[in-house]
Amino acid sequence: GESVGLHLPTLSVQEGDNSIINCAYSNSASDYFIWYKQESGKGPQFIIDIRSNMDKRQGQRVTVLLNKTVKHLSLQIAATQPGDSAVYFCAELSSPARQLTFGSGTQLTVLP
Amino acid sequence: DAEITQSPRHKITETGRQVTLACHQTWNHNNMFWYRQDLGHGLRLIHYSYGVQDTNKGEVSDGYSVSRSNTEDLPLTLESAASSQTSVYFCASSFGTSSSYEQYFGPGTRLTVT
Repeated sequence: GESVGLHLPTLSVQEGDNSIINCAYSNSASDYFIWYKQESGKGPQFIIDIRSNMDKRQGQRVTVLLNKTVKHLSLQIAATQPGDSAVYFCAELSSPARQLTFGSGTQLTVLP
Repeated sequence: DAEITQSPRHKITETGRQVTLACHQTWNHNNMFWYRQDLGHGLRLIHYSYGVQDTNKGEVSDGYSVSRSNTEDLPLTLESAASSQTSVYFCASSFGTSSSYEQYFGPGTRLTVT
């Protein structure tokens, strides 16, 4: 079936560097994507979303890029901080169910 | 402030027992969801509801049931708990309009079935 997956299960970056977390999706009908952050022992927290009619969207220190040609989504975090250490999930919304399908997550570790 | 809460936060039960996990949201969201989270599987949808008296099965609904008698609550019941249902359970809610599908998650319930 259709699925959302992640290229890298773990990512370690130095504090202050930029982080890039990647996500591949297989359902070409998906038209809405969300990135969530999950800290240890907590529920997922919304970071940023993007619709399929956009290629890029920016938030505070975060940017999401969408490449529909290769069905690829990425989350860029600028000037990564220790508080960014968490598991990051991408999720896609597809028709007709209009349900979010989540990837398995990437563990981001920020090194001092 | 509006929020979504889950109770209990931790639960240990025995195989075969009925267990109910509570979820309560004060955003007045129409849509509510239950997920389970296991290592290597991410979040998998168990059941969801688009409004009062509406319930739908998700990807992994076997052994679970929900009921929606009001807007604020969507309790999840495990009819006869099995060890395979040991997991962390998350409840979420959303407006679900075309302008935003963002789901707001509760803090989770860690369930252990012995």
